[in-house]
Amino acid sequence: GENVEQHPSTLSVQEGDSAVIKCTYSDSASNYFPWYKQELGKGPQLIIDIRSNVGEKKDQRIAVTLNKTAKHFSLHITETQPEDSAVYFCAARLSNFGNEKLTFGTGTRLTIIP
Amino acid sequence: DSGVTQTPKHLITATGQRVTLRCSPRSGDLSVYWYQQSLDQGLQFLIQYYNGEERAKGNILERFSAQQFPDLHSELNLSSLELGDSALYFCASSVGTQIDTQYFGPGTRLTVL
Repeated sequence: GENVEQHPSTLSVQEGDSAVIKCTYSDSASNYFPWYKQELGKGPQLIIDIRSNVGEKKDQRIAVTLNKTAKHFSLHITETQPEDSAVYFCAARLSNFGNEKLTFGTGTRLTIIP
Repeated sequence: DSGVTQTPKHLITATGQRVTLRCSPRSGDLSVYWYQQSLDQGLQFLIQYYNGEERAKGNILERFSAQQFPDLHSELNLSSLELGDSALYFCASSVGTQIDTQYFGPGTRLTVL
Protein backbone atom coordinates (compact mmCIF):
# COMPACT_ATOMS: atom_id res chain seq x y z
CA GLY A 1 0.00 0.00 0.00
CA GLU A 2 0.87 3.66 -0.11
CA ASN A 3 3.21 5.10 2.49
CA VAL A 4 3.67 8.85 2.97
CA GLU A 5 6.52 10.29 5.00
CA GLN A 6 6.48 13.92 6.10
CA HIS A 7 9.31 16.08 7.43
CA PRO A 8 9.94 17.90 9.63
CA SER A 9 7.53 17.04 12.43
CA THR A 10 7.95 20.52 13.94
CA LEU A 11 9.09 23.74 12.35
CA SER A 12 9.54 27.21 13.81
CA VAL A 13 10.18 30.19 11.56
CA GLN A 14 10.41 33.91 12.10
CA GLU A 15 7.44 35.91 10.86
CA GLY A 16 8.08 37.00 7.30
CA ASP A 17 10.44 34.12 6.53
CA SER A 18 9.57 31.12 4.35
CA ALA A 19 8.59 27.65 5.51
CA VAL A 20 9.07 24.43 3.56
CA ILE A 21 7.54 21.06 4.39
CA LYS A 22 8.46 17.93 2.45
CA CYS A 23 6.70 14.66 1.80
CA THR A 24 7.73 11.49 0.02
CA TYR A 25 5.43 8.76 -1.20
CA SER A 26 6.09 5.17 -2.05
CA ASP A 27 3.74 4.23 -4.88
CA SER A 28 4.50 5.70 -8.30
CA ALA A 29 0.84 5.22 -9.30
CA SER A 30 -0.23 7.97 -6.89
CA ASN A 31 -1.71 10.85 -8.86
CA TYR A 32 -3.24 13.43 -6.52
CA PHE A 33 -1.50 15.26 -3.68
CA PRO A 34 -3.44 17.61 -1.40
CA TRP A 35 -2.18 19.65 1.54
CA TYR A 36 -4.32 20.31 4.57
CA LYS A 37 -4.02 22.85 7.40
CA GLN A 38 -5.46 21.93 10.77
CA GLU A 39 -5.93 24.52 13.48
CA LEU A 40 -6.52 23.59 17.08
CA GLY A 41 -9.98 22.16 17.63
CA LYS A 42 -10.90 22.21 13.94
CA GLY A 43 -11.04 19.79 11.06
CA PRO A 44 -8.37 19.73 8.33
CA GLN A 45 -8.83 22.44 5.71
CA LEU A 46 -7.65 21.94 2.15
CA ILE A 47 -5.20 24.71 1.26
CA ILE A 48 -3.75 23.55 -2.05
CA ASP A 49 -3.52 20.41 -4.15
CA ILE A 50 -1.61 19.21 -7.18
CA ARG A 51 -2.15 16.47 -9.71
CA SER A 52 0.53 14.30 -11.25
CA ASN A 53 0.41 16.00 -14.64
CA VAL A 54 1.67 19.29 -13.15
CA GLY A 55 5.04 20.10 -11.58
CA GLU A 56 4.15 23.21 -9.64
CA LYS A 57 1.10 25.13 -8.48
CA LYS A 58 0.88 28.46 -6.70
CA ASP A 59 -1.86 30.27 -4.82
CA GLN A 60 -0.77 33.61 -3.39
CA ARG A 61 1.77 32.86 -0.62
CA ILE A 62 1.40 29.09 -0.92
CA ALA A 63 3.00 26.86 -3.53
CA VAL A 64 3.38 23.13 -4.01
CA THR A 65 6.01 21.39 -6.12
CA LEU A 66 5.93 17.79 -7.30
CA ASN A 67 8.83 15.65 -8.43
CA LYS A 68 7.35 12.44 -9.81
CA THR A 69 10.71 10.87 -10.56
CA ALA A 70 11.90 11.25 -7.00
CA LYS A 71 8.39 10.70 -5.62
CA HIS A 72 8.35 13.73 -3.42
CA PHE A 73 6.32 16.90 -3.10
CA SER A 74 6.76 20.01 -1.01
CA LEU A 75 4.70 22.83 0.45
CA HIS A 76 6.22 26.29 0.39
CA ILE A 77 4.77 29.17 2.41
CA THR A 78 6.33 32.57 1.82
CA GLU A 79 6.07 35.74 3.91
CA THR A 80 4.76 33.74 6.83
CA GLN A 81 2.26 35.31 9.20
CA PRO A 82 1.17 34.36 12.74
CA GLU A 83 -2.08 32.93 11.38
CA ASP A 84 -0.06 30.37 9.42
CA SER A 85 0.69 28.62 12.73
CA ALA A 86 -1.07 25.24 12.57
CA VAL A 87 -0.45 21.57 11.84
CA TYR A 88 0.00 20.82 8.14
CA PHE A 89 -0.68 17.42 6.57
CA CYS A 90 0.29 16.17 3.16
CA ALA A 91 -1.55 13.29 1.51
CA ALA A 92 -1.32 11.11 -1.56
CA ARG A 93 -4.10 9.41 -3.47
CA LEU A 94 -3.51 5.91 -4.70
CA SER A 95 -5.96 4.27 -7.07
CA ASN A 96 -5.80 0.54 -6.60
CA PHE A 97 -8.24 -1.55 -8.66
CA GLY A 98 -11.03 0.97 -8.04
CA ASN A 99 -10.33 1.08 -4.30
CA GLU A 100 -9.01 4.58 -3.83
CA LYS A 101 -7.77 6.03 -0.62
CA LEU A 102 -5.95 9.07 0.65
CA THR A 103 -2.93 8.30 2.77
CA PHE A 104 -1.82 11.11 5.05
CA GLY A 105 1.59 12.09 6.33
CA THR A 106 2.10 12.36 10.07
CA GLY A 107 1.86 16.15 10.14
CA THR A 108 4.13 19.15 10.69
CA ARG A 109 3.48 21.55 13.52
CA LEU A 110 4.41 24.98 12.15
CA THR A 111 4.97 27.82 14.61
CA ILE A 112 5.45 31.36 13.37
CA ILE A 113 7.48 33.45 15.79
CA PRO A 114 6.34 37.10 15.84
CA ASP B 1 -16.94 26.72 7.55
CA SER B 2 -16.61 23.76 5.17
CA GLY B 3 -20.34 23.05 4.96
CA VAL B 4 -19.88 19.57 6.45
CA THR B 5 -21.61 19.11 9.80
CA GLN B 6 -20.93 16.51 12.45
CA THR B 7 -22.72 15.68 15.67
CA PRO B 8 -22.07 15.39 18.49
CA LYS B 9 -18.95 17.53 19.08
CA HIS B 10 -17.95 15.53 22.12
CA LEU B 11 -18.88 12.08 23.32
CA ILE B 12 -17.80 10.43 26.56
CA THR B 13 -18.68 6.81 27.15
CA ALA B 14 -17.47 3.64 28.85
CA THR B 15 -15.68 0.60 27.53
CA GLY B 16 -17.97 -1.97 25.97
CA GLN B 17 -20.57 0.59 24.92
CA ARG B 18 -21.81 1.48 21.46
CA VAL B 19 -22.05 4.98 19.96
CA THR B 20 -23.23 6.53 16.71
CA LEU B 21 -21.59 9.50 15.07
CA ARG B 22 -23.48 11.50 12.49
CA CYS B 23 -22.33 13.46 9.45
CA SER B 24 -24.10 15.62 6.89
CA PRO B 25 -22.11 16.32 3.72
CA ARG B 26 -21.92 19.60 1.86
CA SER B 27 -24.89 20.34 -0.33
CA GLY B 28 -24.40 18.55 -3.65
CA ASP B 29 -21.67 16.19 -2.45
CA LEU B 30 -22.44 12.50 -2.93
CA SER B 31 -19.35 10.96 -1.31
CA VAL B 32 -18.78 10.76 2.42
CA TYR B 33 -15.52 9.63 4.02
CA TRP B 34 -14.77 8.75 7.62
CA TYR B 35 -11.38 9.23 9.23
CA GLN B 36 -9.95 8.53 12.65
CA GLN B 37 -7.31 10.85 14.09
CA SER B 38 -5.37 9.74 17.12
CA LEU B 39 -2.13 11.07 18.55
CA ASP B 40 -0.07 8.03 17.67
CA GLN B 41 -1.70 7.08 14.36
CA GLY B 42 -2.36 10.38 12.64
CA LEU B 43 -5.25 10.60 10.16
CA GLN B 44 -6.43 7.15 9.16
CA PHE B 45 -8.97 6.56 6.41
CA LEU B 46 -11.78 4.29 7.55
CA ILE B 47 -14.42 4.06 4.83
CA GLN B 48 -16.05 5.87 1.90
CA TYR B 49 -19.67 5.85 0.78
CA TYR B 50 -20.94 7.19 -2.52
CA ASN B 51 -24.62 7.79 -3.00
CA GLY B 52 -25.58 5.17 -0.45
CA GLU B 53 -23.12 2.48 -1.51
CA GLU B 54 -19.85 1.51 0.09
CA ARG B 55 -17.08 2.63 -2.25
CA ALA B 56 -13.75 2.06 -0.54
CA LYS B 57 -12.53 0.61 2.69
CA GLY B 58 -9.50 1.50 4.74
CA ASN B 59 -8.33 0.45 8.18
CA ILE B 60 -11.79 0.02 9.64
CA LEU B 61 -12.19 -2.45 12.49
CA GLU B 62 -14.92 -5.09 12.36
CA ARG B 63 -16.45 -3.48 15.47
CA PHE B 64 -17.05 -0.36 13.39
CA SER B 65 -19.64 0.03 10.67
CA ALA B 66 -21.06 2.86 8.64
CA GLN B 67 -23.91 3.61 6.30
CA GLN B 68 -25.13 6.41 4.09
CA PHE B 69 -28.82 7.16 3.95
CA PRO B 70 -30.99 8.30 1.00
CA ASP B 71 -30.70 11.92 2.15
CA LEU B 72 -26.89 11.39 1.94
CA HIS B 73 -26.14 11.85 5.60
CA SER B 74 -23.93 9.18 7.06
CA GLU B 75 -23.54 7.46 10.40
CA LEU B 76 -20.52 5.73 11.85
CA ASN B 77 -21.33 3.10 14.45
CA LEU B 78 -18.65 2.08 16.94
CA SER B 79 -19.39 -0.89 19.16
CA SER B 80 -17.69 -2.82 21.97
CA LEU B 81 -15.66 0.29 22.59
CA GLU B 82 -12.14 0.04 23.93
CA LEU B 83 -9.89 2.65 25.53
CA GLY B 84 -7.86 2.76 22.32
CA ASP B 85 -10.87 3.93 20.34
CA SER B 86 -10.60 7.34 21.98
CA ALA B 87 -9.83 9.71 19.14
CA LEU B 88 -11.15 12.44 16.91
CA TYR B 89 -13.44 11.14 14.19
CA PHE B 90 -13.77 13.26 11.08
CA CYS B 91 -16.18 13.09 8.24
CA ALA B 92 -15.34 14.58 4.86
CA SER B 93 -17.32 14.92 1.66
CA SER B 94 -16.65 15.37 -2.02
CA VAL B 95 -18.70 15.64 -5.18
CA GLY B 96 -17.95 12.44 -7.05
CA THR B 97 -16.77 8.90 -6.64
CA GLN B 98 -13.11 9.63 -7.12
CA ILE B 99 -11.20 10.81 -4.09
CA ASP B 100 -10.53 14.40 -4.98
CA THR B 101 -11.14 17.69 -3.23
CA GLN B 102 -12.42 16.71 0.18
CA TYR B 103 -13.98 19.04 2.70
CA PHE B 104 -13.72 18.04 6.34
CA GLY B 105 -16.20 18.55 9.12
CA PRO B 106 -15.26 19.83 12.59
CA GLY B 107 -15.01 16.32 14.03
CA THR B 108 -16.38 14.38 16.97
CA ARG B 109 -14.08 13.87 19.94
CA LEU B 110 -14.74 10.43 21.43
CA THR B 111 -13.45 9.63 24.89
CA VAL B 112 -13.77 6.07 26.14
CA LEU B 113 -13.28 5.71 29.90
